Amino acid sequence: EAGVAQSPRYKIIEKRQSVAFWCNPISGHATLYWYQQILGQGPKLLIQFQNNGVVDDSQLPKDRFSAERLKGVDSTLKIQPAKLEDSAVYLCASSFPRDSNSPLHFGNGTRLTVT
Amino acid sequence: AQSVTQPDIHITVSEGASLELRCNYSYGATPYLFWYVQSPGQGLQLLLKYFSGDTLVQGIKGFEAEFKRSQSSFNLRKPSVHWSDAAEYFCAVAKTSYDKVIFGPGTSLSVIP
Repeated sequence: EAGVAQSPRYKIIEKRQSVAFWCNPISGHATLYWYQQILGQGPKLLIQFQNNGVVDDSQLPKDRFSAERLKGVDSTLKIQPAKLEDSAVYLCASSFPRDSNSPLHFGNGTRLTVT
Repeated sequence: AQSVTQPDIHITVSEGASLELRCNYSYGATPYLFWYVQSPGQGLQLLLKYFSGDTLVQGIKGFEAEFKRSQSSFNLRKPSVHWSDAAEYFCAVAKTSYDKVIFGPGTSLSVIP
């Protein structure tokens, strides 16, 4: 099966600019996650979708971050305006929750550098 | 709230030597426990998971982990490390298979030829 696709692979922007990341989960996976991984740290969950509804966005900085999952498939994560501390790898993952043994399937991530 | 600690930030082992990576979790009930590996430039890959049953679980690439409720630990082991095992290893926990997965800070493994 095709894996989780993310684009772009790398992005360099200046602070106060905006940026968007795209994720296409594995076909049939109802649950989609966005994680932020700062260098030297473990991934931190930003937002979790179940189909096109938000399950958990408690750690999403809503003043600057937004995410959507139209039609319950692809998802976009946006940062506007970006800050230096947003430099990180943004990981998208998906899972099929009806299978209680289903793990998270991760994409390769988007590495964001804010200068 | 759930949390995961990995006491070792970085570990170096010789190729062929045994490996144990430590993981401790904080959660009242028996959580869902995972070990993921992240190779340079790659996404995270699941090595193994524990939900219930036998406390010694086998994973991919020759890894195993043991759940010890009394110690709130889920340590990862491998009897003989290969150079290709050099990577970042993350322990993770979730309350249920549907709940959010919380990752530890990771342990970086270096392998000396």
